[in-house]
Amino acid sequence: DIQMTQSPSSLSASVGDRVTITCRASQSISSYLNWYQQKPGKAPKLLIYAASSLQSGVPSRFSGSGSGTDFTLTISSLQPEDFATYYCQQSYSTPGTFGPGTKVDIK
Amino acid sequence: EVQLVETGGGLIQPGGSLRLSCAASGFTVSSNYMSWVRQAPGKGLEWVSVIYSGGSTYYADSVKGRFTISRDNSKNTLYLQMNSLRAEDTAVYYCARASQWLVRGYYYYGMDVWGQGTTVTVSS
Repeated sequence: DIQMTQSPSSLSASVGDRVTITCRASQSISSYLNWYQQKPGKAPKLLIYAASSLQSGVPSRFSGSGSGTDFTLTISSLQPEDFATYYCQQSYSTPGTFGPGTKVDIK
Repeated sequence: EVQLVETGGGLIQPGGSLRLSCAASGFTVSSNYMSWVRQAPGKGLEWVSVIYSGGSTYYADSVKGRFTISRDNSKNTLYLQMNSLRAEDTAVYYCARASQWLVRGYYYYGMDVWGQGTTVTVSS
């Protein structure tokens, strides 16, 4: 199985900050990488698919990049509604493993 | 409206069985990849199982041989039959639709529709 890691595991940031989260796969997954946002008590929400394609309805302050084994999710200007946990997930092979998550909270 | 609604969770003793249901509206279950994802209390997301549109099924090693994913096309509903339940199966279980997009000449999948989750607690 492909293992996914994320860094950092948590971060504190202020509204307006630029935030970057990193995801690494244990082997090359080309661009088969998704990013999800999850708020407490809620289901995850797809933000990015194919490493850099923005899901419909997701604000343009979210962007993704990378290919192979190293990927990045960037929030260009953090908004109050962005405080949540973010997960990467590989869709290259089954099982579609998730990263352990990165919790973004208020500084 | 595109929607998934899970039911069937509850408190069950170790070794017991439970069947989760996921009723879809606004789209056809059998035409999509459908997955189950779970989240143990205070933990991250864990992929559990998938059924492809062609009917092929796959499972996480942690549930293989104990859980069965299936669908009823007439009811447009996805199921997860869970047998020989263990304490470590305690989690919120989500069903999700995986949509497909053509990007730069390749097809990519992402879970774009999720249910609200149903809680399974395995305890004596």
